[in-house]
Amino acid sequence: KQEVTQIPAALSVPEGENLVLNCSFTDSAIYNLQWFRQDPGKGLTSLLLIQSSQREQTSGRLNASLDKSSGRSTLYIAASQPGDSATYLCAVREGSARQLTFGSGTQLTVLP
Amino acid sequence: GAVVSQHPSWVICKSGTSVKIECRSLDFQATTMFWYRQFPKQSLMLMATSNEGSKATYEQGVEKDKFLINHASLTLSTLTVTSAHPEDSSFYICSARAPSGDTQYFGPGTRLTVL
Repeated sequence: KQEVTQIPAALSVPEGENLVLNCSFTDSAIYNLQWFRQDPGKGLTSLLLIQSSQREQTSGRLNASLDKSSGRSTLYIAASQPGDSATYLCAVREGSARQLTFGSGTQLTVLP
Repeated sequence: GAVVSQHPSWVICKSGTSVKIECRSLDFQATTMFWYRQFPKQSLMLMATSNEGSKATYEQGVEKDKFLINHASLTLSTLTVTSAHPEDSSFYICSARAPSGDTQYFGPGTRLTVL
């Protein structure tokens, strides 16, 4: 059974810092991996989706990488801002399965 | 981008009552919708996969008679929590996936509190 782990569980950084969030998964036979943002009491906003054949995706200050063979993905946030404060979740989709398996998330706080 | 709505956004009910939560895809047709449950500071746990016009597929440990799912049209799926108890209090989130494409679009969630 696929398990997704995110480290650290919580992270607090001063504004302007570059930071990396980590996601690992136990079964490397994934179809794609997705990073989401969740604000308190809200739903999920998709940030980046990486297909299994891709190594990275970029959107603005965000860059996500995927190393399928080692079962790892990272989300890099450049020049962090207080508005980036949220919980970041990664999720993998396996093969022909349609559902996603989520990690437990990293709660990010960017201090002004 | 694609928009998924949920109604209500929050609900408080007495123990023993039933609560219906709606999930709608507003600008696309969703042949498949997913229902998740999220406890405080925890991740999303898939409850069931809902396919339009057929019975939902429930994950292991999820009581299908307690969590009734109906996907009557390509834009609407409903989750009914029957005879709700305080332990059912949680944040329920739905997502929808278009027939083509890989992205799931998530609703804003429904906070259920059972007294």
